[in-house]
Amino acid sequence: DGGITQSPKYLFRKEGQNVTLSCEQNLNHDAMYWYRQDPGQGLRLIYYSQIVNDFQKGDIAEGYSVSREKKESFPLTVTSAQKNPTAFYLCASSIVGRSSGTGELFFGEGSRLTVL
Amino acid sequence: SQQGEEDPQALSIQEGENATMNCSYKTSINNLQWYRQNSGRGLVHLILIRSNEREKHSGRLRVTLDTSKKSSSLLITASRAADTASYFCATGDYNQGGKLIFGQGTELSVKP
Repeated sequence: DGGITQSPKYLFRKEGQNVTLSCEQNLNHDAMYWYRQDPGQGLRLIYYSQIVNDFQKGDIAEGYSVSREKKESFPLTVTSAQKNPTAFYLCASSIVGRSSGTGELFFGEGSRLTVL
Repeated sequence: SQQGEEDPQALSIQEGENATMNCSYKTSINNLQWYRQNSGRGLVHLILIRSNEREKHSGRLRVTLDTSKKSSSLLITASRAADTASYFCATGDYNQGGKLIFGQGTELSVKP
């Protein structure tokens, strides 16, 4: 089945540790995104990538890093510099259409990170 | 930055009633999309309306777009308990680098 797989679903981290969240897609989409969602809030864009080996900062990139070495994969590292990392993280992918803007996003099931 | 603002933040209705959610945005857009999120899950795309469209239907969903007022509404007719979820609008503009900006969401509760 085509889709987006995020892992792990739940992750606990001690303060000062870096953690990496995995996101893999087999939809052959060019664009991939990472969003952060806090309780009762909307989604805030962390990083996005429209092509392999290229990515752009979103609205809240500080304390996060990404890589896009393969089309299928867009891992997110939450570094110790992120002061409030406890949140629900969502990965998504899409086809980017030049004439019609960003198309439909396909989301993974999310990863819930808790800092102890 | 949040592009969309949704109203109301929470809505509680009885099964069979219609539910209307509104979204306002600030900048120019190529399209506006609505998504649904069940508690603790990922978002699921519901419908996309382009900037040159005024209304679109999909099953029990009806979306309108008024670009002069920079607003959109999502109507769910004959609601069911299974429609209980959070609903988000999101705006897309290729001039923004292809990213999609989400609103804060409306939490809909449909009571059986």
